[in-house]
Amino acid sequence: QVQLQESGPGVVKPSETLSLTCGVSGGSVSRYYWNWIRQSPGKGLEWIGCISQSGSTKYNPSLKSRVTISVDRSKNQFSLNLSSVTAADTAVYYCARDWGYDSNGFGGWFDPWGQGTRVTVSS
Amino acid sequence: DIQMTQSPSSLSASVGDRVTITCRASQSIIKYLNWYQQKPGKAPNLLIYGASGLHSGVPSRFSGSGSGTDFTLTISSLQPEDFATYYCQQTDNIPFTFGPGTTVEIK
Repeated sequence: QVQLQESGPGVVKPSETLSLTCGVSGGSVSRYYWNWIRQSPGKGLEWIGCISQSGSTKYNPSLKSRVTISVDRSKNQFSLNLSSVTAADTAVYYCARDWGYDSNGFGGWFDPWGQGTRVTVSS
Repeated sequence: DIQMTQSPSSLSASVGDRVTITCRASQSIIKYLNWYQQKPGKAPNLLIYGASGLHSGVPSRFSGSGSGTDFTLTISSLQPEDFATYYCQQTDNIPFTFGPGTTVEIK
């Protein structure tokens, strides 16, 4: 079955760019939508954005100016870049597959999820 | 943004109890409502999709219902492994949003 694994630095300095990768095994990134979600004590679960099998993206408007999600089909993985980070971006970051959606990418559900990676923004 | 609220925020229950958690959306989301279970230090796991669809491998004691703005998750007979936090999520509109969670604790 499909398994996801997040990777990236555990500490990022303020004002720098947070970069994470989600490796996909047991399936292809050329199918489905792929999501990034984060969880912090202060804000709960927050959807960051997603990328479709065709490479189109949807972002949370609250983060849109700082977020880029991309896919690397040769490595079967997708990535998150979040620029100009502050302490408010400290969280556990998850990747997840989205499926069951309609033709516009809505109405789906997230399964499976990666185990999550903790990112702390600190100098 | 569509705001998701859950009630109660926490509850204490005993093994064998019937438990009901409510999720309300700030506007209609048709049936685009999912439920997840999360245990400490772990990622959320899908329980219910599309308001009432039971995800593969999830015990039948879990069930979901509702449409429009009001939804419920019911655990018919609480088991020891069900003590966890439960989240609802809407995928009707961008940004996809989650409820604040309901923690089910042991009485």
